[in-house]
Amino acid sequence: EAGVTQSPTHLIKTRGQQATLRCSPISGHTSVYWYQQALGLGLQFLLWYDEGEERNRGNFPPRFSGRQFPNYSSELNVNALELEDSALYLCASSLPRTSKADTQYFGPGTRLTVL
Amino acid sequence: LAKTTQPISMDSYEGQEVNITCSHNNIATNDYITWYQQFPSQGPRFIIQGYKTKVTNEVASLFIPADRKSSTLSLPRVSLSDTAVYYCLVGEVGGTGFQKLVFGTGTRLLVSP
Repeated sequence: EAGVTQSPTHLIKTRGQQATLRCSPISGHTSVYWYQQALGLGLQFLLWYDEGEERNRGNFPPRFSGRQFPNYSSELNVNALELEDSALYLCASSLPRTSKADTQYFGPGTRLTVL
Repeated sequence: LAKTTQPISMDSYEGQEVNITCSHNNIATNDYITWYQQFPSQGPRFIIQGYKTKVTNEVASLFIPADRKSSTLSLPRVSLSDTAVYYCLVGEVGGTGFQKLVFGTGTRLLVSP
C-alpha cells in the first residue's frame, strides 16, 4: 500500500514569492493535515481538511491557505513568503472521522527554503 | 488534548532494551496514547497506539498502568537505526472531535555502538 506522498521534496523561493506544496493521502483516507516544523522545533499544526472542507486551522496568518480536491489530495499555498517560513512542511492523512482508529500517517515532507 | 511530559533525551547502546516513559496526568476517558518516531528531515512514523494495559507489535511494546496517567514505550534490543526523536501523544480517537495532534518536544534517543 502506497504511503502519503508529497511534492516537491525541496523548494527554494525568495521573499515575497508564493509557494505551492502538494500532498496525496493514503488510498481510503479522507482527512489531510498540514504541519510546519521549523529547524530544531516541534510540529506546529497548520490546517485540517476533511471531505473537501477546511475543518480547522492553527495559529497561522491567512497567507497560509490550502484546499482539498475531490480525490482527497491537497494543496498548501503560502503567499508573500517570509524568511521565517523556511521549514519542513509535513502532510498527514487519516481514515474518516467515524473510524475507530484515526491514526495519522505522515508523508516525507517538503523542505521549503526562503531566501 | 492532554499535555504530555517526556524526558528530553536518553542514551543507550546497541542490543539494550530502552524504555521511554511519558506522563499524561490529565488524560481523558476517551483518549488513546500514541507514539511516533521521527528521523531528521522526515515525517513522523507511527509506532504504536494503546488505551490500557499492554500492547505489542513487531516494533515495540506499550505499557499503560491502570490509572493511565503514564505510559512506557519499550524498544527491545535497539540498534543504531533506532536513533531518533520519539513523541508521545494523547488524544481522542475517531468520533467527531477535532483530530489535531499536539506534538511536544519529544525524547531524543541516541543509540551508540
